[in-house]
Amino acid sequence: GNSVTQMEGPVTLSEEAFLTINCTYTATGYPSLFWYVQYPGEGLQLLLKATKADDKGSNKGFEATYRKETTSFHLEKGSVQVSDSAVYFCALSNEASGSARQLTFGSGTQLTVLP
Amino acid sequence: SQTIHQWPATLVQPVGSPLSLECTVEGTSNPNLYWYRQAAGRGLQLLFYSVGIGQISSEVPQNLSASRPQDRQFILSSKKLLLSDSGFYLCAWSSWGEKLFFGSGTQLSVL
Repeated sequence: GNSVTQMEGPVTLSEEAFLTINCTYTATGYPSLFWYVQYPGEGLQLLLKATKADDKGSNKGFEATYRKETTSFHLEKGSVQVSDSAVYFCALSNEASGSARQLTFGSGTQLTVLP
Repeated sequence: SQTIHQWPATLVQPVGSPLSLECTVEGTSNPNLYWYRQAAGRGLQLLFYSVGIGQISSEVPQNLSASRPQDRQFILSSKKLLLSDSGFYLCAWSSWGEKLFFGSGTQLSVL
């Protein structure tokens, strides 16, 4: 079956530091990969996605590249801000289904950015 | 624009008491609706999903049930809560496709 493994948190960084949150996956076929973010007091929201190998998803300064050879989708940002403090979830979906019902989430990584 | 409302934000209930969490969606019709749970240190687990009124599919056996009495209303219930029901519950909706829109969640503590 499908599974997603994220680096365990919490992660604490100073403002303007470089961020990497590791995500690796196990899936059959050619899944789509996602990063969701949950800011304090809010619901999860889609941050970025990639649908095929070597695609790079990007949004709000965050990037993640779909690496089929290493089955990874690591989230990166060159310079984090206090407002980036949130919980980040990596997720995958089997491409063939196209249904949100098939989304498999990782356990989430809490990021705290200090001023 | 579409919005999703979930309440309450936090809930403390004794073991054996009933549960009712409500979720409503505005600004869209015939959404697919979902209930997820995140237990401490674990990923989001899909509990129920619904493609229409009265149509509920359960992904995992458990002490919980779900109902969809109206097109944009999704209710998570239990007759008798267990300690293991504690966790963070999220309601979500989607159109056909992979993108989910989540509510703000309910932190349930069963004591």
